[in-house]
Amino acid sequence: DTAVSQTPKYLVTQMGNDKSIKCEQNLGHDTMYWYKQDSKKFLKIMFSYNNKELIINETVPNRFSPKSPDKAHLNLHINSLELGDSAVYFCASSSSTGGSSYNSPLHFGNGTRLTVT
Amino acid sequence: AQSVTQPDIHITVSEGASLELRCNYSYGATPYLFWYVQSPGQGLQLLLKYFSGDTLVQGIKGFEAEFKRSQSSFNLRKPSVHWSDAAEYFCAVQSGAGSYQLTFGKGTKLSVIP
Repeated sequence: DTAVSQTPKYLVTQMGNDKSIKCEQNLGHDTMYWYKQDSKKFLKIMFSYNNKELIINETVPNRFSPKSPDKAHLNLHINSLELGDSAVYFCASSSSTGGSSYNSPLHFGNGTRLTVT
Repeated sequence: AQSVTQPDIHITVSEGASLELRCNYSYGATPYLFWYVQSPGQGLQLLLKYFSGDTLVQGIKGFEAEFKRSQSSFNLRKPSVHWSDAAEYFCAVQSGAGSYQLTFGKGTKLSVIP
């Protein structure tokens, strides 16, 4: 009954490969995110989807393509992997109440550690 | 654009000692502020949040934080640290209602001496 689950937990691959990370949340949230945590633990948002619509797309190489088949899923596909893509990728979700109210705090998955060799 | 500064990269305290982790934010209006904790190999867990009202907020695991607008600070405190509190702590700011973007500080690593 994990709230936000990501698979795989670890991913080791070679440069130039294409890989995907999957994320699912069972919290009924309507907003999902991908964050990247670098080797210095710095967390930076990459993408955000609200009701399957892309709403945040930070300066991320277009080799990264998020896909949200439904509100409960947000997958991250990475083409032509590079050494610098090695990091921990976190999926998160929140509930937007809309209007003048605030978004609920983020609920994070346990991360996917990507190592590109 | 909003930003968050956590001045201390690494703090070491003895078990039972008090703790204060510093966080300063930069944002033009009233921010929504959060503290998250990350244990090794885990995702981030919400400790507490501030949206409005009482400037002293209580969180889980005995943590509290105080919002000081005049100092643009949101420091995290705990009166008596336990060895299990050793982790990485992140302060974050959300730029107001309707915003989906959370900006994190670079984190403070807490080590606890038994």
